[in-house]
Amino acid sequence: NAGVTQTPKFQVLKTGQSMTLQCAQDMNHNSMYWYRQDPGMGLRLIYYSASEGTTDKGEVPNGYNVSRLNKREFSLRLESAAPSQTSVYFCASSEFRQGRNTEAFFGQGTRLTVV
Amino acid sequence: KNQVEQSPQSLIILEGKNCTLQCNYTVSPFSNLRWYKQDTGRGPVSLTIMTFSENTKSNGRYTATLDADTKQSSLHITASQLSDSASYICVVSSSGGYQKVTFGTGTKLQVIP
Repeated sequence: NAGVTQTPKFQVLKTGQSMTLQCAQDMNHNSMYWYRQDPGMGLRLIYYSASEGTTDKGEVPNGYNVSRLNKREFSLRLESAAPSQTSVYFCASSEFRQGRNTEAFFGQGTRLTVV
Repeated sequence: KNQVEQSPQSLIILEGKNCTLQCNYTVSPFSNLRWYKQDTGRGPVSLTIMTFSENTKSNGRYTATLDADTKQSSLHITASQLSDSASYICVVSSSGGYQKVTFGTGTKLQVIP
């Protein structure tokens, strides 16, 4: 099992460019998430998908869009990148069972720099 | 507002020594608390999870404690190894769904020979 796989691992964008971060999990989890991690701050939720076909905003959704393509894949799109979106992005997946979340598994992260 | 505060922000210890990391939270209603280990350049990996009724949980040399009354948790690392060098993140979930999760900013631990 690969777990959660993110691509790319590194990316440099110019302000105004667009790009899509890809995420796939092979654990048959229903729920998937996108977080960003900035120095001195905890991980912050951008968007999540509780199940295939649904997506919801998290704490910091502005400037991002997501697509839950199928149960395995959850992509994050930056339509017009801004320097404030320079960050490390993590995708995660988990199950929600019996009123509780199971352990979340994280990808290795995408380090994005917007210049 | 739900908050998770960790201390210290960073810590340097000698290999073989023990250390304790602290986590205070104001998340309500409380569901569970996890400790994650994040190696540099990697995603977080879960170490332990504790619910309201549990006050201690071990995973090898890692022992987590929870005092739900004072809303405090600690992670104790015994006989530290160089591979323990990482950030340790306290994560508190409130009832109702994974989206209601608050991450601490982490404690960066460096174990030196």
